[in-house]
Amino acid sequence: GESVGLHLPTLSVQEGDNSIINCAYSNSASDYFIWYKQESGKGPQFIIDIRSNMDKRQGQRVTVLLNKTVKHLSLQIAATQPGDSAVYFCAEIVGNTDKLIFGTGTRLQVFP
Amino acid sequence: NAGVTQTPKFRILKIGQSMTLQCTQDMNHNYMYWYRQDPGMGLKLIYYSVGAGITDKGEVPNGYNVSRSTTEDFPLRLELAAPSQTSVYFCASSYGGPGEQYFGPGTRLTVT
Repeated sequence: GESVGLHLPTLSVQEGDNSIINCAYSNSASDYFIWYKQESGKGPQFIIDIRSNMDKRQGQRVTVLLNKTVKHLSLQIAATQPGDSAVYFCAEIVGNTDKLIFGTGTRLQVFP
Repeated sequence: NAGVTQTPKFRILKIGQSMTLQCTQDMNHNYMYWYRQDPGMGLKLIYYSVGAGITDKGEVPNGYNVSRSTTEDFPLRLELAAPSQTSVYFCASSYGGPGEQYFGPGTRLTVT
């Protein structure tokens, strides 16, 4: 069935290091993936997206990698900062549906 | 632009009571969504709308109703509140599809 999940529930990194947050999906028909960031007490905020015809997309300090062979998605954050501390969700859209399916989330903790 | 606004921010209901969660967006977005987020979990889609007069069920629609009489407003109705509906409710909107959604600040609802 349709499902999106994450390997690690909590990730702790030192300020300045790079962070990698992973996500697995099960539906091979998924063709659009999005990463959201949710700070405590706030709604999710769009970070970056990628379509299934790409395997890499870069933004400001963030890179998303898509491996369709193993149905795996990752979000890389360069030079992690305290302001990056949040819960990160991957989400997918399957085919031409109008719905996003969210994963459980990974909490990123940045320590000095 | 105010973006997506939700009222109230907090609410406590007794079992069996009813209430309406309000959601308004001023971005002229066609698509609007209601999600619930239980503690430590991802977001589950309750209902969504692709335009005024059109609504459809998401993953967890039981116990809720929606209407979309205008582009701007997408209220969520709880008819007979149950403890299982204790959650944080987020409204979101997007322009041309379910991809980049803009979220409101959420309504924290407790049913006792």
